[in-house]
Amino acid sequence: KAGVTQTPRYLIKTRGQQVTLSCSPISGHRSVSWYQQTPGQGLQFLFEYFSETQRNKGNFPGRFSGRQFSNSRSEMNVSTLELGDSALYLCASRRGGADTQYFGPGTRLTVL
Amino acid sequence: DQQVKQNSPSLSVQEGRISILNCDYTNSMFDYFLWYKKYPAEGPTFLISISSIKDKNEDGRFTVFLNKSAKHLSLHIVPSQPGDSAVYFCAASPNSGGSNYKLTFGKGTLLTVNP
Repeated sequence: KAGVTQTPRYLIKTRGQQVTLSCSPISGHRSVSWYQQTPGQGLQFLFEYFSETQRNKGNFPGRFSGRQFSNSRSEMNVSTLELGDSALYLCASRRGGADTQYFGPGTRLTVL
Repeated sequence: DQQVKQNSPSLSVQEGRISILNCDYTNSMFDYFLWYKKYPAEGPTFLISISSIKDKNEDGRFTVFLNKSAKHLSLHIVPSQPGDSAVYFCAASPNSGGSNYKLTFGKGTLLTVNP
């Protein structure tokens, strides 16, 4: 069974640009969550999508947004990039009920 | 405000001995706790979880203990192996599933198991 996949694995952008990250969950998983990992703040929850609807959200500004498609694939968008957005962005999927969350390898975003 | 704290950034143990990783939390609403292991350049890998209705859960070499009154949990690895060397994250959620499932992570403890 294939795991959670994220593309691209590495990305370099400049301040002010926008970026879109993609996540393909494990087959059969309907919930996709996004996390940001930085050295200073650790792993922080961004949001969760379930059946194409955002059902939970962390404390991040509106520049961070996401969506989920009917096949459960999810995208995360960050607009007007800031230097502080440089981080490892992790996607995790689960079936949706009381179920373990499985993480992808992450996308390393560097903002110059 | 850090709701989940792992106060030891690093821990070093000898192969074959016990590794004890600790985690404290402040939010009384947390009801479900997990440990994840992370190697460099990989995503976190689920290890073991525990619900607040239990005080202990075992899975092979891994045991998690929960002390609700102290708001403290610990992960015991016995015996420790060099392949266990990784960063270990403690995480907590208000419940184990459903719409309010939202993991809050500690900052991690780097475990080094020396041969």
